[in-house]
Amino acid sequence: EDKVVQSPLSLVVHEGDTVTLNCSYEVTNFRSLLWYKQEKKAPTFLFMLTSSGIEKKSGRLSSILDKKELFSILNITATQTGDSAIYLCAVEGSGAGSYQLTFGKGTKLSVIP
Amino acid sequence: EPEVTQTPSHQVTQMGQEVILRCVPISNHLYFYWYRQILGQKVEFLVSFYNNEISEKSEIFDDQFSVERPDGSNFTLKIRSTKLEDSAMYFCASSEFLYSNQPQHFGDGTRLSIL
Repeated sequence: EDKVVQSPLSLVVHEGDTVTLNCSYEVTNFRSLLWYKQEKKAPTFLFMLTSSGIEKKSGRLSSILDKKELFSILNITATQTGDSAIYLCAVEGSGAGSYQLTFGKGTKLSVIP
Repeated sequence: EPEVTQTPSHQVTQMGQEVILRCVPISNHLYFYWYRQILGQKVEFLVSFYNNEISEKSEIFDDQFSVERPDGSNFTLKIRSTKLEDSAMYFCASSEFLYSNQPQHFGDGTRLSIL
């Protein structure tokens, strides 16, 4: 059974801090690992990672994948209150004819002014 | 930016009633998905759909569930006889096509409450 484990489950930081969120996985026929940000409603896409060791960056957010050790990290530098959200890690594995996402429980990040 | 839209945003239904949740995927996308998230739990895969048929379904997607693409734009999830444990947020997602390395994009969800 495919499995995604995120840590920590929750985190409280002050504005300006840097945070690292962790995601480890076990999945059959790995295709990609994705990070989403979930505020009140839809998970919003952040990153899709398919290759080991290549960092993806978007502003203050960055992420990297290690396919040998089966984990990924999401870094947020200079955190702002708008970064408060649940960050979801999902792994895309292939089945018979499509790809499905297996999600972790998420990390709830709270950024205090 | 194109987005996945879902209606209604909140549906309250009596146990045993049928419910249909609606989704309009992004227009050039070919793969469609339903996920659900029970309060406080993980987002779980239900079903994927391509070329007018189910590609894969999870154990959750039993005979009470069905999906349909009744026209060129809508993608629906029907629950035939709702149970209390069907109460959850249901997310629709779509992606461009299987080998494009494009992510699944999610709608805002329908919160289903079974009384």
